Amino acid sequence: AQSVSQHNHHVILSEAASLELGCNYSYGGTVNLFWYVQYPGQHLQLLLKYFSGDPLVKGIKGFEAEFIKSKFSFNLRKPSVQWSDTAEYFCAAFAGNNRKLIWGLGTSLAVNP
Amino acid sequence: DAGITQSPRHKVTETGTPVTLRCHQTENHRYMYWYRQDPGHGLRLIHYSYGVKDTDKGEVSDGYSVSRSKTEDFLLTLESATSSQTSVYFCAISGGGSYQETQYFGPGTRLLVL
Repeated sequence: AQSVSQHNHHVILSEAASLELGCNYSYGGTVNLFWYVQYPGQHLQLLLKYFSGDPLVKGIKGFEAEFIKSKFSFNLRKPSVQWSDTAEYFCAAFAGNNRKLIWGLGTSLAVNP
Repeated sequence: DAGITQSPRHKVTETGTPVTLRCHQTENHRYMYWYRQDPGHGLRLIHYSYGVKDTDKGEVSDGYSVSRSKTEDFLLTLESATSSQTSVYFCAISGGGSYQETQYFGPGTRLLVL
């Protein structure tokens, strides 16, 4: 079955540290990939997405992600985190002809001031 | 933010009572989704709709039904609420010509079943 794995369940960083959150998917064909963010008590918001083209995707709030097909990965990065980045981050994928978005279980990020 | 509202935003109910949650969109998007979010389980799809009167089951549809009589409204009904249905419920919408478009989320409904 197709799946999305987020390896880091909880991450704690200090402000100005660099961030990389892992996301791997299990499908060898065409994929559409997403990262969403959920700030405490709020709904999910789209950070960035990859459908095709340049594998390095830039999103909002200084986030970027790189699609590496050979590694089945779509890791999220930010060079310098802020306290306001404290949130839960979800990776998701459409794979093949699947009508349903496949979700990772999320990574909780806490940034200490 | 996409024009999505959910009502009610908070609800407390008792086991065995029916509950209906409403999702309303102003984007005229074709696809609408109901998810539940629980700690340790991430987001799980309950039901989705691909047009007026066209709906299908997601991965956790037992105990839930949906209806879509208008493009803008997608209703989720818990026929007889149970404590296991205590959760945060999110509606999402997506447009375009394919299922595989970006989904945009509503503010959520917190449901507590006592």
